[in-house]
Amino acid sequence: SAVISQKPSRDICQRGTSLTIQCQVDSQVTMMFWYRQQPGQSLTLIATANQGSEATYESGFVIDKFPISRPNLTFSTLTVSNMSPEDSSIYLCSVEAPGQGPPDTQYFGPGTRLTVL
Amino acid sequence: QKEVEQNSGPLSVPEGAIASLNCTYSDRVSQSFFWYRQYSGKSPELIMSIYSNGDKEDGRFTAQLNKASQYVSLLIRDSQPSDSATYLCAVRELTGGGNKLTFGTGTQLKVEL
Repeated sequence: SAVISQKPSRDICQRGTSLTIQCQVDSQVTMMFWYRQQPGQSLTLIATANQGSEATYESGFVIDKFPISRPNLTFSTLTVSNMSPEDSSIYLCSVEAPGQGPPDTQYFGPGTRLTVL
Repeated sequence: QKEVEQNSGPLSVPEGAIASLNCTYSDRVSQSFFWYRQYSGKSPELIMSIYSNGDKEDGRFTAQLNKASQYVSLLIRDSQPSDSATYLCAVRELTGGGNKLTFGTGTQLKVEL
């Protein structure tokens, strides 16, 4: 399966600031996704990062708050903008790589643990 | 709203026993089903995938799918302390939902010595 890295692995930020999280994959992948996992909760999909076009956001998530870039087939960024303590969460990048595992399977990066003070 | 439901647990089983984890889903057109294991502080890792009715075995793990009942389960035989983790059920739609997975809230499994 694809090897996925994320930077930073963790950060502590002040409210009102922004943080950009990077996701790098060691091979070209068709689909990349960004999830949020709040403390003690399951995974919630924020958006699908589309290469060469705007991301597709899920209900409750907007581009102004979570701008996403996907400049090529191996890299994506998620920015958490104008942060508040409610944004404290783990942010996970995942990829779907046809031919590198069972069909439709998503593989996850190690995550970025964000704490907003 | 499409939902995936799991008992949050914790489910406690003695070492060597069979652990049974259950998941129900609401969307009848769902076609792909996954079990992920998540250790505390780590990201989810794929354990099993299943696509058709019946059982699928991989080592100590068996996934069971019943589409008529909208039910998928994971059995872990000869449970080990290293199996202690949260197990997430995930369901993918064939159409309409694009390529996204919907996750359950997870079941915490504790394997006791």
